[in-house]
Amino acid sequence: GENVEQHPSTLSVQEGDSAVIKCTYSDSASNYFPWYKQELGKRPQLIIDIRSNVGEKKDQRIAVTLNKTAKHFSLHITETQPEDSAVYFCAALRGNKLVFGAGTILRVKS
Amino acid sequence: GAGVSQTPSNKVTEKGKYVELRCDPISGHTALYWYRQSLGQGPEFLIYFQGTGAADDSGLPNDRFFAVRPEGSVSTLKIQRTERGDSAVYLCASSLSGSNEQFFGPGTRLTVL
Repeated sequence: GENVEQHPSTLSVQEGDSAVIKCTYSDSASNYFPWYKQELGKRPQLIIDIRSNVGEKKDQRIAVTLNKTAKHFSLHITETQPEDSAVYFCAALRGNKLVFGAGTILRVKS
Repeated sequence: GAGVSQTPSNKVTEKGKYVELRCDPISGHTALYWYRQSLGQGPEFLIYFQGTGAADDSGLPNDRFFAVRPEGSVSTLKIQRTERGDSAVYLCASSLSGSNEQFFGPGTRLTVL
């Protein structure tokens, strides 16, 4: 089955700096890779996603890159703000099920 | 519009009891998913419905867990003879037919004492 690894587990950045979170997956048949943001006690919220036929996607301060050959994808947040502080999860879609990474706690210090 | 809703938001029960957790998907979403999230971990897949039928129940940990979606809308996750290890947040998600995007509900926090 699919296995998704996510790094780092925690990340502290200064407000205004960039943050990068990386994930690797094992199953080459996975074809859809979403990123979710989860604040404490709240639901996971989809912030950006990428499909396997695309190498990069950007939405304002957030971008995701995908390297199918290496089976890894990354989330990039530029000009970080305190409200970006949350837990971020990557996931890979295998069939109809999402397989999630373990999460990254992002702290943006002001 | 209304998002995915789940009730109750919190459930405390005693070991050995039976519990039911309810999920109301976004209107028109034919696909419904249940996930379980333990503290400090990502959600783990339990079961997927397409319409009324369970298309994939490979994530259910054992036969104490069962889920139904009789009319293709609301779903109920049922846990028999609860154990302390069942304590977690149970998340429901839904998506449109043919779409990969899954939208999550707020979850039910289950605590088994």
